[in-house]
Amino acid sequence: AQTVTQSQPEMSVQEAETVTLSCTYDTSESNYYLFWYKQPPSRQMILVIRQEAYKQQNATENRFSVNFQKAAKSFSLKISDSQLGDTAMYFCAINPQGGSEKLVFGKGTKLTVNP
Amino acid sequence: DTAVSQTPKYLVTQMGNDKSIKCEQNLGHDTMYWYKQDSKKFLKIMFSYNNKELIINETVPNRFSPKSPDKAHLNLHINSLELGDSAVYFCASSPTHFGGTGELFFGEGSRLTVL
Repeated sequence: AQTVTQSQPEMSVQEAETVTLSCTYDTSESNYYLFWYKQPPSRQMILVIRQEAYKQQNATENRFSVNFQKAAKSFSLKISDSQLGDTAMYFCAINPQGGSEKLVFGKGTKLTVNP
Repeated sequence: DTAVSQTPKYLVTQMGNDKSIKCEQNLGHDTMYWYKQDSKKFLKIMFSYNNKELIINETVPNRFSPKSPDKAHLNLHINSLELGDSAVYFCASSPTHFGGTGELFFGEGSRLTVL
């Protein structure tokens, strides 16, 4: 079974600053994908970034980057130059390969970007 | 053109009633899912279907019955609604069941309120 832990229920950051959201996970699978999804007040679930576990290079998407530490089972999200539109719930998730494919989510971190 | 669409977006009903939520995806994906997001924002998988076949059924009460008439549609019917069923229900789809990127594409969610 897969588990995902987000230890920060809430965080805040000033506009234009950098913030890091933490995520740890547990899985017995050797191959899996890790994700960060964003859920703004509109409720829509939006993919922020994806990381394949077999890739050592950390994924980046514009202002969003991850620090993937496979041995430590850690997958943190860094948001640079925070914008007001980044205010949202952020969910870390894991999807194992090779078995029944389903996304298992952490409990989320509520991020508020302050002007 | 909405990729994963759910109807209705909002549903308010009395305890004991029966209600349905419909989901359609136009992405050509093989697999569809229902997730439940509770009042604490926790997202948990309920069901998944691959090409109309039930793949995952996560200890959901049998008052919940998914139906997939074809691979582009996955509906959720709930009998004898209870207060605890109040939640946001998300439909999602993914390109393949085994393999692929593991990314799920979500609908906008349907907020169900049971009075």
